Amino acid sequence: DAGVIQSPRHEVTEMGQEVTLRCKPISGHNSLFWYRQTMMRGLELLIYFNNNVPIDDSGMPEDRFSAKMPNASFSTLKIQPSEPRDSAVYFCASRRTGTPAGELFFGEGSRLTVL
Amino acid sequence: GIQVEQSPPDLILQEGANSTLRCNFSDSVNNLQWFHQNPWGQLINLFYIPSGTKQNGRLSATTVATERYSLLYISSSQTTDSGVYFCAPRGTGANNLFFGTGTRLTVIP
Repeated sequence: DAGVIQSPRHEVTEMGQEVTLRCKPISGHNSLFWYRQTMMRGLELLIYFNNNVPIDDSGMPEDRFSAKMPNASFSTLKIQPSEPRDSAVYFCASRRTGTPAGELFFGEGSRLTVL
Repeated sequence: GIQVEQSPPDLILQEGANSTLRCNFSDSVNNLQWFHQNPWGQLINLFYIPSGTKQNGRLSATTVATERYSLLYISSSQTTDSGVYFCAPRGTGANNLFFGTGTRLTVIP
């Protein structure tokens, strides 16, 4: 079975540019999560969706960050404009909610470097 | 959210040694997962364990939800066990997991 698929795996961009990260959750999973991992802050939840609806975006750092989930099989995380402090690994994860609830599975991450 | 404390923060083992990693959490949970982040950065699912004990090869995990802790046992460690181990409980009524800062394990040959 295909796992969570993220693209791009690596992105290097210059400050001020727009960055779009993409995620395809596991088929049948109805919750999707975006996490960011840095050395300083560890793994932190940015936003999660349930049935394509954003439920909690309190972890989104600021208005430069936005996330969408137009359908059950696709989500994007956009940073505009990007800044060097946004450099991190961004993980997408998905799980099935309901009964029985399922475990969370992560994609391989998108490593972002903003120069 | 739930506060998660993992110990020890760092651990160096000789290949073949056994170890126990501990995870304490601050509130009631209805589930808990253990992950291994390998040196390439991938987060690998180890256990999905709200309570009781599970075993998978050389690894086993025990969660005592009433006492708010979970343990991960690694026996006969191998160099491929190196990486960071994360504990991530999910609170009652919550959808998201809360991550600790992890235990960094280095297994030397």
